[in-house]
Amino acid sequence: DIQMTQSPASLSASLGETVSIECLASEGISNDLAWYQQKSGKSPQLLIYAASRLQDGVPSRFSGSGSGTRYSLKISGMQPEDEADYFCQQSYKYPLTFGSGTKLEIK
Amino acid sequence: EVQLQESGPGLVKPSQSLSLTCSVTGYSITSNYWGWIRKFPGNKMEWMGYISYSGSTSYNPSLKSRISITRDTSKNQFFLQLNSVTTEDTATYYCARWRNTYAFDYWGQGVMVTVSS
Repeated sequence: DIQMTQSPASLSASLGETVSIECLASEGISNDLAWYQQKSGKSPQLLIYAASRLQDGVPSRFSGSGSGTRYSLKISGMQPEDEADYFCQQSYKYPLTFGSGTKLEIK
Repeated sequence: EVQLQESGPGLVKPSQSLSLTCSVTGYSITSNYWGWIRKFPGNKMEWMGYISYSGSTSYNPSLKSRISITRDTSKNQFFLQLNSVTTEDTATYYCARWRNTYAFDYWGQGVMVTVSS
């Protein structure tokens, strides 16, 4: 199975701050990576797919980048509604696997 | 709008079977792919499997001997059965659309299932 190592496990950011979350795959995944946001008590929501493509309706302050084994999600200008858990997921090989998640809080 | 909703018992006894239903509205399950994902206490996420538009299935090898995903196209529903459950199967179970094998773009609200005697 492809292991997805996500970091950091948690972070806090001030409003307006830019934050980055990383996922490192145990082998190359050819940009087959998605990012999700999950707010407390809610179901996950797709933010980014194919490493850098923004899902319809997602604010443009979210962006994804990366290649090979290393990928990142950036939030340019933290907003109160961005407080949530974030996790990555690879779709390069079955079984699909997820990162361990990042808890993002407002400082 | 595509909507998914899980339903099923919230409590299952060890060694019994867990059975969940995902009801889909706004989109036909005879298109695309439809999956089950679970989130354990402690937040680890696990992909369990999917059923495709044609009815073919793919399962996580870690579950292969215990899992079955089926569907009823007349009701636009698909189902999860997990046999011989243990306390380690306690989790929140989600159904989701696996869009063109890229990403899960629509999710149900999730159902918490506890395995306990």
